[in-house]
Amino acid sequence: GAVVSQHPSWVICKSGTSVKIECRSLDFQATTMFWYRQFPKQSLMLMATSNEGSKATYEQGVEKDKFLINHASLTLSTLTVTSAHPEDSSFYICSAREWGALNTEAFFGQGTRLTVV
Amino acid sequence: EDQVTQSPEALRLQEGESSSLNCSYTVSGLRGLFWYRQDPGKGPEFLFTLYSAGEEKEKERLKATLTKKESFLHITAPKPEDSATYLCAVQDHYGGSQGNLIFGKGTKLSVKP
Repeated sequence: GAVVSQHPSWVICKSGTSVKIECRSLDFQATTMFWYRQFPKQSLMLMATSNEGSKATYEQGVEKDKFLINHASLTLSTLTVTSAHPEDSSFYICSAREWGALNTEAFFGQGTRLTVV
Repeated sequence: EDQVTQSPEALRLQEGESSSLNCSYTVSGLRGLFWYRQDPGKGPEFLFTLYSAGEEKEKERLKATLTKKESFLHITAPKPEDSATYLCAVQDHYGGSQGNLIFGKGTKLSVKP
């Protein structure tokens, strides 16, 4: 299957600082990427949908000014957690679907464990 | 509102003891149902996509089936390496964000040797 690379796999940051997470599709072009958040023993919750060259669409309750998403190319989307606080500590996962393939599987990155201290 | 419910939450099996995981769903119009495997601290790994009732797919010890209301993931003679959380997700024809998946909470499977 297609490969989605997410970096870093884990990060620890101080409260008040910003953290950037990268999501790359390595062997396909992804016009749409999705960002999820997962708490222990909970389901993946969609945060936002990222489209190449346009503004991201955020789910209800997700602060767009706190979680900045940029999808600058067909193979790269970034999520920046701004002014991070301990409650932002979570597992963040991106996924990507190949261009023109709405009804096929989405491939996931390895996830990023964010710990804010 | 689209909903996905997985049961049981956790399942403990002995090696070789076959069983099934359930995924019940409610959608306006099903575009696809997906099964993923997730290991601790990792992103989900794609297993199967099912599109219509009656469809079945197999991969090694796993077999996924689909009806109009639910899907089953059958595990035949499981091995310890099958231990993981299995996630079910649906994609709606009419809703979602450009093909977004709605996930269940998963079933945590533990297979003891």
